[in-house]
Amino acid sequence: DVQLVESGGGLVQPGGSLRLSCKASEFTFSDFEMSWVRQAPGKGLEWISHITFSGNADYYADSVRGRFTISRDNAKNSLYLQMNSLRAGDTAVYYCARTTLLSPATSWLDCWGQGTLVTVSS
Amino acid sequence: SYVLTQPPSVSVAPGQTARITCGGNNVGMKGVHWYQKKPGQAPVLVVYDDADRPSGIPDRFSGSKSGNTATLTISRVEAGDEADYYCQVWSGRTELLYVFGTGTTVTV
Repeated sequence: DVQLVESGGGLVQPGGSLRLSCKASEFTFSDFEMSWVRQAPGKGLEWISHITFSGNADYYADSVRGRFTISRDNAKNSLYLQMNSLRAGDTAVYYCARTTLLSPATSWLDCWGQGTLVTVSS
Repeated sequence: SYVLTQPPSVSVAPGQTARITCGGNNVGMKGVHWYQKKPGQAPVLVVYDDADRPSGIPDRFSGSKSGNTATLTISRVEAGDEADYYCQVWSGRTELLYVFGTGTTVTV
């Protein structure tokens, strides 16, 4: 079965940094674009970042642009999210997700990891 | 920014039908996808591209669209269907690629 496993979450002070990882297995990782989505406590799903197949292009929501950086290592079947200048509002469960694109019309997230909790607090 | 509006909650008796709507500008021109989210679990795609079901999703889940409103229908509702449901559209390679709806809590 397709599997995505996130790691790297934890408790961090405001202004601190954290790097999330997502390990993919049972599919050809380099054939898929990938995204990070988060869910803050009691809130809905929020897309925050996306990266293309080779990593040559990346996209960010306004809420994280300039603070977060998405990257991937296709040789290691891994996706990353470097999070800097963390704020209390970044507290959430962070999910990595595989995307399927029917270019240029639409795209969806067809497989998700279990998520990793990031808590930003002093 | 683009907004997808869903009813906050839907209550349904077991065995009955639940309908969850998702409205927004130009929804009629975009593919709409639906996710089921249970507490402590990963989201699960239940309908993609308006009306298609991924393998393993029961045919009790179906999607449709009329004008600028998409609908997720859950037939013969079971206790295990109790969850939050989110619609989603893709905005293209612009500022906000994946837009999620406000979410609907289905209570059985």
